[in-house]
Amino acid sequence: GESVGLHLPTLSVQEGDNSIINCAYSNSASDYFIWYKQESGKGPQFIIDIRSNMDKRQGQRVTVLLNKTVKHLSLQIAATQPGDSAVYFCAEKVQGAQKLVFGQGTRLTINP
Amino acid sequence: GAGVSQSPRYKVAKRGQDVALRCDPISGHVSLFWYQQALGQGPEFLTYFQNEAQLDKSGLPSDRFFAERPEGSVSTLKIQRTQQEDSAVYLCASSYRQVSNSPLHFGNGTRLTVT
Repeated sequence: GESVGLHLPTLSVQEGDNSIINCAYSNSASDYFIWYKQESGKGPQFIIDIRSNMDKRQGQRVTVLLNKTVKHLSLQIAATQPGDSAVYFCAEKVQGAQKLVFGQGTRLTINP
Repeated sequence: GAGVSQSPRYKVAKRGQDVALRCDPISGHVSLFWYQQALGQGPEFLTYFQNEAQLDKSGLPSDRFFAERPEGSVSTLKIQRTQQEDSAVYLCASSYRQVSNSPLHFGNGTRLTVT
């Protein structure tokens, strides 16, 4: 299939390990953040979201951490599996607006 | 269940041709967005509809780009006189209500190649 991103930052982890993907956002007025997973030839798939009045949110095998002081967002994936291999995007929404602004993306590769 | 559906999946156009890309959002979803994704990049916002009203078209790169959603469900993105720089994946997304209350669900996109 076609490649989603050819020159993205890349993170390689061993299957079963935990992975952490980081994202710096730019706008201090952003009030909503979201992580998407994108596989080759597919659209972005929702993983987890968080509002600015929270600093941590957990889902199934995933945790999102928000540090508003340094405008930093991270996605933690526990016990990575081969199916987790994809490009991961963070996105932010500015208060009062509706559109999501996407970051550059990180390619996650799971080694067997 | 049915997700966001986009057609065609692939489109090849000669430079100067007009193209129309279709999006069928999830039934009942009020908000609809179009994004453009160049190879190796994150999606870039093009335009936003709430029902049939186009509330934000600030991301449309030129007046060759036009989007409509006349009955508040299906949407069409039209590109006139296509140029090579228009080559990209065009993604459609919908959400039930406002974005901060319900996340965007994306389709698999239309890959446009202008030759």
